[in-house]
Amino acid sequence: GQSLEQPSEVTAVEGAIVQINCTYQTSGFYGLSWYQQHDGGAPTFLSYNALDGLEETGRFSSFLSRSDSYGYLLLQELQMKDSASYFCAVSGGFKTIFGAGTRLFVKA
Amino acid sequence: DAGVIQSPRHEVTEMGQEVTLRCKPISGHNSLFWYRQTMMRGLELLIYFNNNVPIDDSGMPEDRFSAKMPNASFSTLKIQPSEPRDSAVYFCASTGGIQSGANVLTFGAGSRLTVL
Repeated sequence: GQSLEQPSEVTAVEGAIVQINCTYQTSGFYGLSWYQQHDGGAPTFLSYNALDGLEETGRFSSFLSRSDSYGYLLLQELQMKDSASYFCAVSGGFKTIFGAGTRLFVKA
Repeated sequence: DAGVIQSPRHEVTEMGQEVTLRCKPISGHNSLFWYRQTMMRGLELLIYFNNNVPIDDSGMPEDRFSAKMPNASFSTLKIQPSEPRDSAVYFCASTGGIQSGANVLTFGAGSRLTVL
């Protein structure tokens, strides 16, 4: 089977850096993805890691360690608009399974 | 491209009624997914299709749920009969497969179902 664990919520202040961790157990692992979902909206793709290491996309970076079955999403220079839920997801072939999500609250 | 299009956006129905949710994937995408989202259970994968063929329906909760993809541009998720515990947001997503090494899902806006 497949399972993912991530914190249920994180609070940070505007301009700060926050890291959201994700550990997973799965068979047939292809990669780890991150999605953002604002209240009332649909999940939108942020980043993907298939290999160990750090991937950077603007203010967002994502890290993967396949040997540790662990990854994280790093958000820098936090803005109020970053308040949302963040989901890690594991892909095995076409199948993508999502974690329960981390609710990020950004305070002024 | 208009993205993944779902209808209806909102549906309120009474227990026992049939519900049909519709999805038009992005043109050229060959995989389509149906997810259900609730506060208690998060984003659950119900079923996915590749080239219009159902590949894995192990997430479909009961026989009351069925999904079809008669062609590359249309899919339906049907619940018959509906129950209050089916109330959730149902998302359809599509992907063209591995692009730049990533399996990127594009989600529709969702169909919010309330069963009274």
